[in-house]
Parts: sequence; C-alpha cells; structure tokens
Amino acid sequence: AQSVTQLDSQVPVFEEAPVELRCNYSSSVSVYLFWYVQYPNQGLQLLLKYLSGSTLVESINGFEAEFNKSQTSFHLRKPSVHISDTAEYFCAVTYGIHGSSNTGKLIFGQGTTLQVKP
Amino acid sequence: SAVISQKPSRDICQRGTSLTIQCQVDSQVTMMFWYRQQPGQSLTLIATANQGSEATYESGFVIDKFPISRPNLTFSTLTVSNMSPEDSSIYLCSAAGTDTQYFGPGTRLTVL
Repeated sequence: AQSVTQLDSQVPVFEEAPVELRCNYSSSVSVYLFWYVQYPNQGLQLLLKYLSGSTLVESINGFEAEFNKSQTSFHLRKPSVHISDTAEYFCAVTYGIHGSSNTGKLIFGQGTTLQVKP
Repeated sequence: SAVISQKPSRDICQRGTSLTIQCQVDSQVTMMFWYRQQPGQSLTLIATANQGSEATYESGFVIDKFPISRPNLTFSTLTVSNMSPEDSSIYLCSAAGTDTQYFGPGTRLTVL
C-alpha cells in the first residue's frame, strides 16, 4: 500500500533557527506532493506543492521543499523560523496523473508538530 | 482556489444519536472527499462523495455508519450514525481543484 512517513513527531526549535521537517513516501512512477499546515484550532491550509518541473518549491512565508525522486523524499525547510510558525505540519501525496487514473485521494503522513520557542 | 464551509463547526452529542455535517463549496467541483482526524492523529480518508451516485468508501468505513449525500457539484453531507465515544474526531470536507485539494475548517465532534 502507498504510504507517507514523517520521521519526526515533534520538532522543538528556537526562534530564528533553521528547521527541517522530514517526509518520505513510498515509491511510484508518478506522484504529486503537498505540505499542509494546521495552526492550533484551525483547519488545514495548503503550504506548498510539487506537481512537476523544478524540484524546489517555495511558499509565500519562507518555507521551501525539495522533491528528491531517488530518495523518495519531500523535506520541508525554513532558514529562520518565527513563533508564528508553531503548528502541525502534514506531508501528503497523491499518486498517478491527476485527472486520469488518479482519483485525487490524498494519503497523509502522521504529522509533525513544530514548536518554536522564544 | 475553492472556499469551503462546514456546519456545524463543533457539536457535543450523546451516544447512540446521529449527526449530519454539511459541506458547501463556493464553486462547482468534480470531486469531494470526507476525512476524519482523530485526536492527536493524522487525517484518514473516509470516502469520496460522488455526485449523482453512491459514495466510494475506504477500507474500514461503511455506508451504514457514514452515509454520504452529494446532490450537486457544490454540496455534500456526511452523517455519523449511532455514535459512540470512539467517533469523537474532527471531520473535514475537501474539494479537489485542478491540481490541489482544499479543506474546510472541520467539524469537531465530541460524543459522550
């Protein structure tokens, strides 16, 4: 079965420090990758996504993720975190070609809690 | 992008009762989904809500427990039937755009 693994359940980090949240997925010929963020008591928001093209994708608030096909990874990074980045981060994948054989179903990782300390 | 609303936002229910959750999308979408997020857990897909036909359920979820309606391309409901405390979760609706899924704010359900 297809799966997504987030290796760290919790990542504590001090403000302005760099952070990396790890995500690995089970291999497939064609895959779309996403990072979603869930702030306390809020719904899921799309942070960034990889569909095709450049393997490095960026969000508007300074996060970036790199699609590494050989390592089947899609790690999320930020060079300097803020207190406001404290949230739950979910990596997700959908397999196949969207609109044809892909049904659009998302498979989520277990989530990583990013705790930014002052 | 799609804006999704859900009602109710939260509810506290008694064991054995049923709750219907509504999901409204601000534009027509082909695919809608229902997910469950149990306390401290990740999201698990319950079913795909198909317009004009029966929903497609994932392993471990059945229609009798989670009946779903999808009368048109902008609206869907999920009913949690004969509830038990184990059904206490956040239930999220999502809609698939061209290449992204957008999520509603969720319905936080507590069953006593």
